Amino acid sequence: EPEVTQTPSHQVTQMGQEVILRCVPISNHLYFYWYRQILGQKVEFLVSFYNNEISEKSEIFDDRFSVERPDGSNFTLKIRSTKLEDSAMYFCASKQRPGQASSWNSPLHFGNGTRLTVT
Amino acid sequence: AQSVTQLGSHVSVSEGALVLLRCNYSSSVPPYLFWYVQYPNQGLQLLLKYTSAATLVKGINGFEAEFKKSETSFHLTKPSAHMRDAAEYFCAVNRDDKIIFGKGTRLHILP
Repeated sequence: EPEVTQTPSHQVTQMGQEVILRCVPISNHLYFYWYRQILGQKVEFLVSFYNNEISEKSEIFDDRFSVERPDGSNFTLKIRSTKLEDSAMYFCASKQRPGQASSWNSPLHFGNGTRLTVT
Repeated sequence: AQSVTQLGSHVSVSEGALVLLRCNYSSSVPPYLFWYVQYPNQGLQLLLKYTSAATLVKGINGFEAEFKKSETSFHLTKPSAHMRDAAEYFCAVNRDDKIIFGKGTRLHILP
């Protein structure tokens, strides 16, 4: 079964540095997402991406955050000027295009996550 | 706006006992509901989803959930718990083409 893959599994960075988290969504999926989970807390929506642009973003997704789909297969999350509070598990997810009767309620398929530690 | 509430951040059951994890939803329209499981140090895996085709939904690993509109609930159950079921379970609802998660319930299995 196709999987969403994320690299690296663990990223350590110093406060103020930039990090790029990488994801390869399932190949025939068209909607892409980033979520984060601070240790011991709920899974929070960050951003959704469709047709090469952001569909929706949460208040967490401030101007330090950006997403990109540079080559049609990778989907990246960049965080500039990292802060201690950015430390979390970041999950990438993808799903089929909505709006079609068979896929409107299609679930998200998640990767195993990247644990970001900002020191 | 659609949302879900999970009652109980931690639930402990004995191996072989019934598992019941509670989830209530809030929605002004028929919701699309999901249960996800997160095993230690892993990502989120879909257990089952409610699509309005049937109120009782069967998922993987012996889990099932029943949609009850009168109670606005979508509780997750399993007749007999196994040690490998120890994990975090998230109820979720589809909202505007994204999924919104509940706070999660950590299931502990007692030997």
